[in-house]
Amino acid sequence: QKEVEQNSGPLSVPEGAIASLNCTYSDRVSQSFFWYRQYSGKSPELIMSIYSNGDKEDGRFTAQLNKASQYVSLLIRDSQPSDSATYLCAVFWLGAQKLVFGQGTRLTINP
Amino acid sequence: DTGVSQDPRHKITKRGQNVTFRCDPISEHNRLYWYRQTLGQGPEFLTYFQNEAQLEKSRLLSDRFSAERPKGSFSTLEIQRTEQGDSAMYLCASSLWTSSPYEQYFGPGTRLTVT
Repeated sequence: QKEVEQNSGPLSVPEGAIASLNCTYSDRVSQSFFWYRQYSGKSPELIMSIYSNGDKEDGRFTAQLNKASQYVSLLIRDSQPSDSATYLCAVFWLGAQKLVFGQGTRLTINP
Repeated sequence: DTGVSQDPRHKITKRGQNVTFRCDPISEHNRLYWYRQTLGQGPEFLTYFQNEAQLEKSRLLSDRFSAERPKGSFSTLEIQRTEQGDSAMYLCASSLWTSSPYEQYFGPGTRLTVT
């Protein structure tokens, strides 16, 4: 079983709609969770971090964390074509002090 | 631009040659990480430093790979006797271990092609 799992997509969403990205993880002692955005040919860019259960909002982005279900999600409201990218879920593994990434979900926003 | 820089941005080398990459982290950041990313996959952890001490190495880091951070500032990653399977994007990230300790900021990466 992979430590961090994401649906690889591609996920296609019309412009202006809500894009929903999901991630599950297997390490029960993880405390910190991140979403990175990666444009084609570029490096990952940190867009959200979440440390406790519940929702965290930042502009058009909302991260949701449910530690009991070992589930993290990212909602993008009012999706724009510029949101088209691969979104990487990452979990900080306390044991080895490293980030473990999912394989990423490719998101396409259709004008 | 996160403030993390990497050099070179692209490297093409022939199988069997040695290559060295450099990473300059955000100046006040005391942790520096190296990752490798292949097409269609998320980054995979290779190693990390806290100041000049190398504290963790992945089993992905074979004996052909070596990393240093001699003065706790910039870091180098060397690959000896490169193989075609080493072709990947090599990413460096840094974090400040006293505030938001788990947030890592990536540099632009070095894309290695082994022919």
